[in-house]
Amino acid sequence: DAGVIQSPRHEVTEMGQEVTLRCKPISGHDYLFWYRQTMMRGLELLIYFNNNVPIDDSGMPEDRFSAKMPNASFSTLKIQPSEPRDSAVYFCASSLYTTDTQYFGPGTRLTVL
Amino acid sequence: QQQVKQSPQSLIVQKGGISIINCAYENTAFDYFPWYQQFPGKGPALLIAIRPDVSEKKEGRFTISFNKSAKQFSLHIMDSQPGDSATYFCAAMGNTGFQKLVFGTGTRLLVSP
Repeated sequence: DAGVIQSPRHEVTEMGQEVTLRCKPISGHDYLFWYRQTMMRGLELLIYFNNNVPIDDSGMPEDRFSAKMPNASFSTLKIQPSEPRDSAVYFCASSLYTTDTQYFGPGTRLTVL
Repeated sequence: QQQVKQSPQSLIVQKGGISIINCAYENTAFDYFPWYQQFPGKGPALLIAIRPDVSEKKEGRFTISFNKSAKQFSLHIMDSQPGDSATYFCAAMGNTGFQKLVFGTGTRLLVSP
């Protein structure tokens, strides 16, 4: 298996623009997680899905952030409008169960100017 | 109560030495304690994990020691190698409610040749 795939790997955008991050989980994994990593706050869970349904979005910082999982093999994290403080590395991870190993993708480094 | 406190923030160890990273938690409902290893530009990857029914788990040069009464657990890297230089995150997950990983703040390990 190719592992968790994320795109783009790097994104540079200007404040106010819409940003869409994409994730393809490992085939057969029922759980998908979106994390944000910054020096100040470390690794934060933003939202996670089970069988394409959002289960816990309490980590989503504000209404500018939204996530969808239209099918078992694809998820998006959208920021609209983006702000400089959104600059971070965003990781997608997937697992068979919540107590199973979470496999992380390579991340998307987002820079908002 | 959901926090996992990790120390030290950074660590320099000579090749062949022992690296020790400590974590502490408050939530007694946590029952799964993984350690993740992250290299620059990569996503975190599971290194080793333990459940509270054992006090120690060893995999190669990596050992987790778990003290349930003190609510502490630690990672020991024996015979540390330059290739072990990475950031290490402890994490914890509970067995009730929304099961999600809570990460420590990370320890940047540098093993000098």
